Amino acid sequence: KQEVTQIPAALSVPEGENLVLNCSFTDSAIYNLQWFRQDPGKGLTSLLLIQSSQREQTSGRLNASLDKSSGRSTLYIAASQPGDSATYLCAVRNYGQNFVFGPGTRLSVLP
Amino acid sequence: GAGVSQSPSNKVTEKGKDVELRCDPISGHTALYWYRQSLGQGLEFLIYFQGNSAPDKSGLPSDRFSAERTGGSVSTLTIQRTQQEDSAVYLCASSLGWSGESYEQYFGPGTRLTVT
Repeated sequence: KQEVTQIPAALSVPEGENLVLNCSFTDSAIYNLQWFRQDPGKGLTSLLLIQSSQREQTSGRLNASLDKSSGRSTLYIAASQPGDSATYLCAVRNYGQNFVFGPGTRLSVLP
Repeated sequence: GAGVSQSPSNKVTEKGKDVELRCDPISGHTALYWYRQSLGQGLEFLIYFQGNSAPDKSGLPSDRFSAERTGGSVSTLTIQRTQQEDSAVYLCASSLGWSGESYEQYFGPGTRLTVT
């Protein structure tokens, strides 16, 4: 059974810092992995999706990498801004299965 | 185009009553998913639809929960005889299809259910 963990559970950084959020999964035979952000009281917003054959995806200040063999993905946020404050969730999908979500990392970017 | 919509946005109900939650997916999306997010908890998968059929109902917490989808579009999640532990945010998502590596899930804003 796939299990997904995210470290750290919470992170507080000053504005302008570059930061890395981590996602680990136990079953490396994944189909794809998707990163989301969730603002308080809101639904999830898709950030990036990495297919199993890809190593990374980039969107603006965000870069997500995938290392299937080690069961890890990282989300890199460059030049963080207060508007980046949210909970970041990764979701992993194995072949023939549905997405399994991690517990999230709660990010606070201080002005 | 329009995103995933859910209604109502908030629902307060008395214990023992039945509730219906609605999800309207993105037009053309054949796959639809229901999740539950309890306070301070992660997302819990409930059920998914491919077209109108639900191949995997394993996540439904009890037989008080049921869901249907008609016309390959709108889905309703029904909770009968609600209990206080059913209080949560119910999230719906849709994707172009179910079996495709490039198929992203797009989420609605959720329905916050409070059972008093």
